[in-house]
Amino acid sequence: QVQLVESGGGVVQPGKSLRLSCVVSGFTFTSHAMHWVRQAPGKGLEWVAVISYDGSNKYYGDSVRGRFTISRDNSKNTLYLQMNNLRSEDTAVYYCAKSGGGGYRSQFDYWGQGTLVTVSS
Amino acid sequence: EIVLTQSPGTLSLSPGERATLSCRASQSVTSTYLAWYQQKPGQAPRLLIYGASSRATGIPDRFSGSGSGTDFTLTIRRLEPEDFAVYYCQQYGSSYTFGQGTKVEIK
Repeated sequence: QVQLVESGGGVVQPGKSLRLSCVVSGFTFTSHAMHWVRQAPGKGLEWVAVISYDGSNKYYGDSVRGRFTISRDNSKNTLYLQMNNLRSEDTAVYYCAKSGGGGYRSQFDYWGQGTLVTVSS
Repeated sequence: EIVLTQSPGTLSLSPGERATLSCRASQSVTSTYLAWYQQKPGQAPRLLIYGASSRATGIPDRFSGSGSGTDFTLTIRRLEPEDFAVYYCQQYGSSYTFGQGTKVEIK
């Protein structure tokens, strides 16, 4: 079965960095674009970033562009999110999500359980 | 950016009743690239509907989606106890945006 397992969350001070990981199994990782989506406490869903199946193309939401970097290691079936210069408003549960198709224009058909990032001094 | 507005914010219904949730887009959604997700407390979102009206794998047929252009609807034909949750619409035709959610609560 399809599984996505995030890790790397925790408490970090403003201005610091953190890297999240998402290990996947149960599907052909190299055939699908992958996303990060976040949810601030008690709030709705916000799309963060997407990466193409081969890692050659990456796109970001306005609130994280220039600070966050999405990447993948297809040999390890792992998706990453490098988060730099963190702000208090980045506090959220971060989910990785699988694109239903190989391209970008597809629904998010499987999600991980999420990892909590808390930015606080 | 396409803004999605969901209504109502909260829907109070009893098990067995019909739920109708609305999602309105600020501009036309490309090729009905519109999805619905269900989220229960402490859980990740779960895909229900994609392409505005196609049910995802394993989703019961009491869930249905309809609409095109700027107006979309999620209907739950007869609410089961496990259907009380928050529902989000999402468009994926022009970048990606989510609605603010509709909470379906037990009356």
